Amino acid sequence: DVKVTQSSRYLVKRTGEKVFLECVQDMDHENMFWYRQDPGLGLRLIYFSYDVKMKEKGDIPEGYSVSREKKERFSLILESASTNQTSMYLCASSSQGYGYTFGSGTRLTVV
Amino acid sequence: QQQVKQSPQSLIVQKGGISIINCAYENTAFDYFPWYQQFPGKGPALLIAIRPDVSEKKEGRFTISFNKSAKQFSLHIMDSQPGDSATYFCAARGGANSKLTFGKGITLSVRP
Repeated sequence: DVKVTQSSRYLVKRTGEKVFLECVQDMDHENMFWYRQDPGLGLRLIYFSYDVKMKEKGDIPEGYSVSREKKERFSLILESASTNQTSMYLCASSSQGYGYTFGSGTRLTVV
Repeated sequence: QQQVKQSPQSLIVQKGGISIINCAYENTAFDYFPWYQQFPGKGPALLIAIRPDVSEKKEGRFTISFNKSAKQFSLHIMDSQPGDSATYFCAARGGANSKLTFGKGITLSVRP
């Protein structure tokens, strides 16, 4: 069964901390994505990557960065966590934009 | 600018009824239109998808109807069940880098 695995289901971090969210896929997909999901706002794209070491900004990249050193792994980094980054974070992968496979999400709370 | 718009914002249907969710898009370069289903605490999962050369696609109780001239597509859930209660997202592929653009999602509640 193909999978996108997010390292944590729940995280609680303090304001100002550097936070790493990890995502691994086993489908050899070229494309990987990070979204955040908030009530009433749907899925908002933070960053995406089309290849190893490639990254492009999505719609809301401010306060975030990403890393893709290996094809199967895409990391989201909150440089200095703030309370307005409390959200559900979803990682996804796809081949050429078809059939996105999502992880189960990481619910991050910043206190 | 919202390129994919869903309606209604929420939907309540009785068990056995038909649930209809609509989506409108703006970019005529879109070439693939999937629907995703998300249960609480889970990530969205691909439910059914259609390409613009087809007007309808059916998989079990789920049907996509596609109207290219109106730039609209809809999801119909026949014989709706309480287990269908979830958030549904429409999406469209195309534009820069051929990634998906998602609608904001709608919450469907099917009453027993």
